Formats: sequence, structure tokens, C-alpha cells
Amino acid sequence: ILNVEQSPQSLHVQEGDSTNFTCSFPSSNFYALHWYRWETAKSPEALFVMTLNGDEKKKGRISATLNTKEGYSYLYIKGSQPEDSATYLCAFIPQGGSQGNLIFGKGTKLSVKP
Amino acid sequence: SQTIHQWPATLVQPVGSPLSLECTVEGTSNPNLYWYRQAAGRGLQLLFYSVGIGQISSEVPQNLSASRPQDRQFILSSKKLLLSDSGFYLCAWSLGLAGQGADTQYFGPGTRLTVL
Repeated sequence: ILNVEQSPQSLHVQEGDSTNFTCSFPSSNFYALHWYRWETAKSPEALFVMTLNGDEKKKGRISATLNTKEGYSYLYIKGSQPEDSATYLCAFIPQGGSQGNLIFGKGTKLSVKP
Repeated sequence: SQTIHQWPATLVQPVGSPLSLECTVEGTSNPNLYWYRQAAGRGLQLLFYSVGIGQISSEVPQNLSASRPQDRQFILSSKKLLLSDSGFYLCAWSLGLAGQGADTQYFGPGTRLTVL
């Protein structure tokens, strides 16, 4: 069974703090890694799709890195704002996996206090 | 622009009753379609996906089924609900152009199902 672990499970920070969290996945058979943001009462929103070892992606104050050899990805948020409060999900796809079968972690729930 | 609709938003059903959840996508043609479930305390789990009309693949054996009667319509059904079917059900679509796994998936608003 392929397992995707995210840590920490939850995180509380003050507005303006920078933060990061981790997604760990099987390092063998890697094909792609997705990051999503899921705000309460909304749909999960795609942040990044990463496919190459060493990939770095950036979207505003949010960035992500990927290490496929050791099986982890970091998501960074610079200068957190209350609107960044959400659950951040990562999803792994192995080589040879079914079409679009994203294997999701349980997420990191971020709360940003004003 | 593309939009995805799901209904109903919430549903409370007794054990043993049937289920039908509907998902429709607008603004695109021949999308890949997906049904996910998030059970309490667990991550999102893919239930079914479809690459075309009438083509359904199941990822997890269960008492649920899916159908795709039209290009942009995806239906999740059950003949008899179990308590363990409770959860949050999300429909998603992707363009299916980037190849297996590298497509961004776009999610609908979801249905909260409670089976009593």
C-alpha cells in the first residue's frame, strides 16, 4: 500500500510568520506530486504539479520544492496572512499508476491568526 | 471558463436506502472525470474515474457504482447504503492532456453524505 504522509497535522502561526510543511512519499516509482489548498466550505484548489527532481515552483507567497530521490516535498508560505488559513494537501502519483489516481495525504491544517 | 457542479450539497440517508449523486462540468469537452471520498479522519480516496462516455474504472471495491451517460455528466450511485458510506464526496475533472498523473484536477463543491 502506497502511503503519503504530511506533517505537521496542524499548525497555528501569527500573521506575518513564514512557515513550511512536509509531504513524504515513496521515493521509488515516482511520477508526479500535486499540492492543493482546501479552504473551509470551498473546493480544493490546485497549487502546483511537480514532476522533476529538484523542481521548484512558486505562486505569489507560496512555493514548493521536490526531492524525488529521498521522497519529500516542502511547501513554504512567506509572510502568512489570515487568508492562507486552509488545509494543504499533497497527492502522489506513482509510475504505472491508474490514470489520474492521486494518492492523497491527510493534509496539514494551517491557521493564521491576525 | 470551466465550471463544475455537484448536487446535492448535503444529504442524510438511512442505511439500506439508494443513493444518486450527480456531477456536471461546463465549458470543456471530453474531460477526465473522477469521484473521490473523504471519510472521517482519512485522506481523499479515489473511487472511480472515467476517460470517456461509458468508460468507468473503479479503484476501490465497494457497494458504490459510477456511470457516465453523457460527456460531461458523472453519477455516483448505490443500491443500498452502508454506515461506512458516510463522508464527503468530491467530483473532479481534468483535461487529460498532460498524460497519466500530471494533469491538474479541478474539484467541485462536494456533497456531505451522512448515513444513519
